[in-house]
Amino acid sequence: GENVEQHPSTLSVQEGDSAVIKCTYSDSASNYFPWYKQELGKRPQLIIDIRSNVGEKKDQRIAVTLNKTAKHFSLHITETQPEDSAVYFCAADSGGGADGLTFGKGTHLIIQP
Amino acid sequence: DAEITQSPRHKITETGRQVTLACHQTWNHNNMFWYRQDLGHGLRLIHYSYGVQDTNKGEVSDGYSVSRSNTEDLPLTLESAASSQTSVYFCASSAGGPGTGELFFGEGSRLTVL
Repeated sequence: GENVEQHPSTLSVQEGDSAVIKCTYSDSASNYFPWYKQELGKRPQLIIDIRSNVGEKKDQRIAVTLNKTAKHFSLHITETQPEDSAVYFCAADSGGGADGLTFGKGTHLIIQP
Repeated sequence: DAEITQSPRHKITETGRQVTLACHQTWNHNNMFWYRQDLGHGLRLIHYSYGVQDTNKGEVSDGYSVSRSNTEDLPLTLESAASSQTSVYFCASSAGGPGTGELFFGEGSRLTVL
């Protein structure tokens, strides 16, 4: 099955700086790579996703890049703000989508004032 | 508004008891999922369903079962609760074909097994 590794587990950045979270996956059949944000005590919510036919996708201060050859994808947050503090999860579809989403273990992003 | 709801939100039970966590969605989504969330492990897939009468085992299915008798509901049953099943459980649903779209999560059910 799919295996998703996520790094770092904790990331502390100064407000206004950029943050980068990286993930690798094992299943070459994976085609869909979403990122979820989970605030303390809340449910995970999708913030951005990318499919295998695209190398990069941006949405305001958030961007995701995908390298299918190397089987890794990354989340980039620019001009970080206090409300960006949360746990972020990457995920990849398993079995080409037939086996649900496999999540990474999460990155706790801390924005220092 | 359409939603996905879980109940109970909090439950304490004893080892060996049967527990059922309910999940109900009003989006008419075909796909429904159960995940457990534990510190250091992220979200791990327990069971999932891509339609009525369809159920599939996920990564950590041992000790759990699900049934899908209608589109709206996917209850998760712990046949004989164990302390290792103390966790936060999230139900989720999505539209479209398998693996193609956004997961919408419920608010979670915190289960403690004593």
